[in-house]
Amino acid sequence: GAVVSQHPSRVICKSGTSVKIECRSLDFQATTMFWYRQFPKQSLMLMATSNEGSKATYEQGVEKDKFLINHASLTLSTLTVTSAHPEDSSFYICSARDGGGSLEQYFGPGTRLTVT
Amino acid sequence: DAKTTQPTSMDCAEGRAANLPCNHSTISGNEYVYWYRQIHSQGPQYIIHGLKNNETNEMASLIITEDRKSSTLILPHATLRDTAVYYCIVRVNNNAGNMLTFGGGTRLMVKP
Repeated sequence: GAVVSQHPSRVICKSGTSVKIECRSLDFQATTMFWYRQFPKQSLMLMATSNEGSKATYEQGVEKDKFLINHASLTLSTLTVTSAHPEDSSFYICSARDGGGSLEQYFGPGTRLTVT
Repeated sequence: DAKTTQPTSMDCAEGRAANLPCNHSTISGNEYVYWYRQIHSQGPQYIIHGLKNNETNEMASLIITEDRKSSTLILPHATLRDTAVYYCIVRVNNNAGNMLTFGGGTRLMVKP
């Protein structure tokens, strides 16, 4: 099946710093990418929908100025957690929709963020 | 998208069939039933999907009732590596409806 990668897989940062997470579709063009957050023992919660070349759409309760999303190409979306705090520690997962054919979503392996 | 109800957890003996139920009584005519699973600390993995006919692939079988209000995912010969959280999701399959809404899922524990 189609492959989606995320980088880094794990990151530890200090409180107040910013962290960028990359999501790439490796063998298809993704006009839409989705960012999810998952806290321990909970389900995935959609944070935002990222469309190539336009502004992201954020879910209720997700601060767009804190979670900056850039989707500048058909294969790359980035999520930047600005001024991270310990409560932002979570598992961040992206998915990419194959805009060329099946319209299916493929998930990345996730990024474990720990803010100390 | 219609909501789904799944048991919180299930156990299955290794080598036996694992049957995971899902209720989606408010499903609309144009909504598909999708199954994903998530192994600990990994991203979700697509398993199978269907509209009204039963489906089978190399991973699993999907049985959808005639009224489409419930379905069952069948892993024919469960292995220890099938231990994961299994999510049943219903959604339309078009440009606008591609957002996936995850419920609590079923935590399947395959035991030796």
